[in-house]
Amino acid sequence: ILNVEQSPQSLHVQEGDSTNFTCSFPSSNFYALHWYRWETAKSPEALFVMTLNGDEKKKGRISATLNTKEGYSYLYIKGSQPEDSATYLCAFRLGGSYIPTFGRGTSLIVHP
Amino acid sequence: EAGVAQSPRYKIIEKRQSVAFWCNPISGHATLYWYQQILGQGPKLLIQFQNNGVVDDSQLPKDRFSAERLKGVDSTLKIQPAKLEDSAVYLCASSLGGGDNQPQHFGDGTRLSIL
Repeated sequence: ILNVEQSPQSLHVQEGDSTNFTCSFPSSNFYALHWYRWETAKSPEALFVMTLNGDEKKKGRISATLNTKEGYSYLYIKGSQPEDSATYLCAFRLGGSYIPTFGRGTSLIVHP
Repeated sequence: EAGVAQSPRYKIIEKRQSVAFWCNPISGHATLYWYQQILGQGPKLLIQFQNNGVVDDSQLPKDRFSAERLKGVDSTLKIQPAKLEDSAVYLCASSLGGGDNQPQHFGDGTRLSIL
C-alpha cells in the first residue's frame, strides 16, 4: 500500500492571502503526480500533471512544484479568492502501475 | 465537449439490497475508472477499463462488487448485496489513455447511503 500524505488536512485563510500545501509520496520509482481541485457539489477538476523532477507548472494564480528525489510536491495559491475554496487532491502513480493513489486532500476555505 | 455523465446523483438503500450506477465517459476516451470515496479519505480506485477490457481490478471487492463496459463506451458498477460500509461517493472518470499521463475527467459522482 502506497503512502500518499497531504498536509495540512484543512486550511482557513483570508481573501488575498497566499497559501501553500504539500503532497508527500514515495521517492522511488516515480512515474507521475496529478493535482485536482474538487469543489463542493461539483466533480474533481484536473489542475496539473507533473512528471519530471524540478517541474514547475502554473495556471493563473495557482502553481505547483515537484521534487521526485525527496518525494514531495507543493501547490501554491497566490492572492486567494473565495472561489478557490475547495478540496485539493494529489494522486501519485508508481512506475509500472496503472493505479493512481490519491491522498486525503487539503480542504481550503477562503474567507471574504 | 460534453463531460462525464453519471447517474443517479443520489441513492439511498437498505443493507443487503442491490444498487447499480451508470457512467458515460467523454467521447473518444479509451480509459474509464471507477473510484470509491469514503468520507474523510481520498478516492480509491476500484476498477480501470481500457476500451472494454479490465486493466486493473485488484482493489474491487469481487464478492459483492461487479463492473462491466461491454461495448467499450459506457459502464455500470453494481453492488450486490450492499453493506453499511459501502456508503460513499462513487466517482467515474475517463481519460484518453491509461498508460500515458493524460489527466482524468471526473463525473459528478453518485452519493450512496446505506441504511
